[in-house]
Amino acid sequence: QPMLTQPPSASASLGASVTLTCTLSSAYGGSKVDWYQLKPGKGPQFVMRVDSGGIVVSRGDGIPDRFSVLGSGLNRFLTIKNIQEEDESDYFCGADHGSESNFVEVFGGGTRLTVL
Amino acid sequence: QITLKESGRTLVKPTQTLTLTCSFSGFSLTTPGVGVGWIRQPPGEALEWLALIYWDDDTRYSPSLRSRLSISKDTTKNQVALTMTNMDPVDTATYYCARRLVDYSVGSGSGWFDPWGQGILVTVSS
Repeated sequence: QPMLTQPPSASASLGASVTLTCTLSSAYGGSKVDWYQLKPGKGPQFVMRVDSGGIVVSRGDGIPDRFSVLGSGLNRFLTIKNIQEEDESDYFCGADHGSESNFVEVFGGGTRLTVL
Repeated sequence: QITLKESGRTLVKPTQTLTLTCSFSGFSLTTPGVGVGWIRQPPGEALEWLALIYWDDDTRYSPSLRSRLSISKDTTKNQVALTMTNMDPVDTATYYCARRLVDYSVGSGSGWFDPWGQGILVTVSS
């Protein structure tokens, strides 16, 4: 099954840009990845689904244009431009693999974004 | 507007069985391409997928928890239930349900979760 690796933390100043990385384990470079934003006391919010070529498959409702994604090889990137205080959150990436009895959905360890 | 809400016991004893209910509105589990999934997050840890059920009664389970899980749907009540047996303190977590949308460009049940419920904190302790 795939594994997703995320740096545990990231930080950026108000108004700056930051890129969060989600790295797929080898052999899963063709997988699509989903990004979720999780704030304390609230359910996760779907941000975007991105394929290996960086194409956005789906975008969550209300996700600002400041959020964009890219894909390259085993990496899927979530970039946030003009960071706002409300962007401070945990960000998880997820991916699925297989079908029927060998299906699995996995998540990365999450990156905590701090807005300075 | 699509909403989902989790309900059930928030305190269970070790070895007991947990049953959670996801009550949703704004979509139907009879619509092709739609499912509902359960995901949990232990305190301070990552998200962990548990189970999925699709409009066509297809069910999927986490390989590591398959023997303890059961998911079912009641389309007349717009509810999905998750049962987890033999609860242990390590199962203490916030449990979320979420609508699943199938990505037909991939197939095989591949998709994403959107939206999610607010979650319910379940504590396992004697």
